[in-house]
Amino acid sequence: DQQVKQNSPSLSVQEGRISILNCDYTNSMFDYFLWYKKYPAEGPTFLISISSIKDKNEDGRFTVFLNKSAKHLSLHIVPSQPGDSAVYFCAASASRAGTASKLTFGTGTRLQVTL
Amino acid sequence: DAGITQSPRHKVTETGTPVTLRCHQTENHRYMYWYRQDPGHGLRLIHYSYGVKDTDKGEVSDGYSVSRSKTEDFLLTLESATSSQTSVYFCAIRGILGQKNTEAFFGQGTRLTVV
Repeated sequence: DQQVKQNSPSLSVQEGRISILNCDYTNSMFDYFLWYKKYPAEGPTFLISISSIKDKNEDGRFTVFLNKSAKHLSLHIVPSQPGDSAVYFCAASASRAGTASKLTFGTGTRLQVTL
Repeated sequence: DAGITQSPRHKVTETGTPVTLRCHQTENHRYMYWYRQDPGHGLRLIHYSYGVKDTDKGEVSDGYSVSRSKTEDFLLTLESATSSQTSVYFCAIRGILGQKNTEAFFGQGTRLTVV
């Protein structure tokens, strides 16, 4: 049972345009969501997160939107740059400390930013 | 960068042999995780730890065991390696800030090939 889903395995966007990566989840206990970026031969690196008490969080060119009723989140990258080309993973968790705090990941979306 | 080190970085082993991967952290974080990354599956949780000698299974734990005798070290053991365990293995750590869990930080990965 895939609790976190990224239905688009790949996405190609022109440099300077907006990249939108999508993620759906099924577990209502998730209240903390994260995006990670992964380059080949490296470990995933944390990009941005959002708590379920918010519907938007911005950090520079990166914005994450959360729609709790639809159990959907998205990552917007504006403007996209060639260095953004990587695999992006969505992850979900329970935020309360003291819980098992497992991070459940999606299958990833490979973003390619073309010149 | 978070103080997390995986060893070895690469290993080739024969089917049926035991293999131990090591994750070492210098952040004193409570939670430690082992994930494997495979094409089409994203990052899947193998085992995790929520304290010294406190561990639990993830979604793909069959054929793997773990131990955490010190806060800083989390060992993953393949009791008898099989070709299906050829993968890239990532260790991650996660702390607590106030009453909330923080984001997870990942190691550089271990590429394991079972021949």
